[in-house]
Amino acid sequence: EVHLVESGGGLVQPGGSLRLSCAASGFTFGSSWMNWVRQAPGKGLEWVANINQDGSETKYVDSVKGRFTVSRDNARNSLYLQMSSLRAEDTAVYYCANTAFGWGQGTLVTVSS
Amino acid sequence: EIVLTQSPGTISLSPGERATLSCRASQRVFSNFLAWHQQKPGQAPRLLIYGASSRATGVPDRFSGSGSGTDFTLTISRLEPEDFAVYYCQQYGNSPLTFGGGTKVEIK
Repeated sequence: EVHLVESGGGLVQPGGSLRLSCAASGFTFGSSWMNWVRQAPGKGLEWVANINQDGSETKYVDSVKGRFTVSRDNARNSLYLQMSSLRAEDTAVYYCANTAFGWGQGTLVTVSS
Repeated sequence: EIVLTQSPGTISLSPGERATLSCRASQRVFSNFLAWHQQKPGQAPRLLIYGASSRATGVPDRFSGSGSGTDFTLTISRLEPEDFAVYYCQQYGNSPLTFGGGTKVEIK
């Protein structure tokens, strides 16, 4: 059974940093593109970033370029999102997701003073 | 950027009825890399369909996806009480990946 479990969310002040993690199991993690997707309160889904199988290629939505960094550790079956210079508009539930295997349960990031 | 337009925005149906949800792309979706997701209030999304027509593991066969190019459809053949939710389409063939605005399937 596929499991994606995010962690690392919380309350952070504007301008602060946070690192999200996603632990994967139940599929061949190292053979899969992986995504981060977020959902602001009461809003729809927004893709944030993704990374290819060996981590050599990453892509980002324009609104987070230069502030967020996606990475992975295939030995640990883990995906990461380093977020810096956080803004109020980054407040959302952040999900890790794979387009063939599904979604994690999400972790809430709240950016507020 | 590929814009996905879902219609209708809300559909009101009774259990046992057929639901047909549309997703139209502003340009051709590469290799029909189109997915459908279900989301219930307070829950994470659930993958239903990927590759336009392949059901994800554990998804009942009353859910089916079809279409190609720019026009895609999710059909729920007979609505069960647990199917009332919001449904999103997503294209993952071109960067940035994009989602539609969602269709809410509500109980009539």
